Amino acid sequence: GAGVSQSPSNKVTEKGKDVELRCDPISGHTALYWYRQSLGQGLEFLIYFQGNSAPDKSGLPSDRFSAERTGGSVSTLTIQRTQQEDSAVYLCASSSVVDNEQFFGPGTRLTVL
Amino acid sequence: DQQVKQNSPSLSVQEGRISILNCDYTNSMFDYFLWYKKYPAEGPTFLISISSIKDKNEDGRFTVFLNKSAKHLSLHIVPSQPGDSAVYFCAASPSGTYKYIFGTGTRLKVLA
Repeated sequence: GAGVSQSPSNKVTEKGKDVELRCDPISGHTALYWYRQSLGQGLEFLIYFQGNSAPDKSGLPSDRFSAERTGGSVSTLTIQRTQQEDSAVYLCASSSVVDNEQFFGPGTRLTVL
Repeated sequence: DQQVKQNSPSLSVQEGRISILNCDYTNSMFDYFLWYKKYPAEGPTFLISISSIKDKNEDGRFTVFLNKSAKHLSLHIVPSQPGDSAVYFCAASPSGTYKYIFGTGTRLKVLA
């Protein structure tokens, strides 16, 4: 497909477990972004990749959150020792260059029991 | 501290009428503004944008107005259609950066 894809679409996990969320950006897009939308909140910026490097990790809520990007393409957001407050929809977006419009994936709904 | 605010969580409009969605921002460094539309279970999709050098941008039924002195922007949809029913997010960014700051969204319901 031509759009941003994310997997899984839904993830239910138990408190304390680790989870990995995957994002496949639009082919050729060099910039990739992760956002989180908690219930009743706007989209909260988490991290930005330019190529494989992450010049801005300032939005990551805690050191339990990490992300990587390999080959300038796929990105994985990892949450260790999940907590109930991590429950949210995690959205990935990509853009062709850093200040172009961002195209969003459908998101992964994470529920931590 | 919410730098981008959408104070109306929801709005209902009759089909054919005008929908006006509002957004306020606090950071004077913002100079690029966007509106995204989001349907349930889908990611946000880009709708329309405006640079701070303009006060109006129009695209079909959608017009965005920017009032820099009031730090206010609005999205007008006319005529509204039932398919416009969605959550609308306002976003703002300082120029040349990737960092979009989003509002909390306004749920628009267009009644047939």
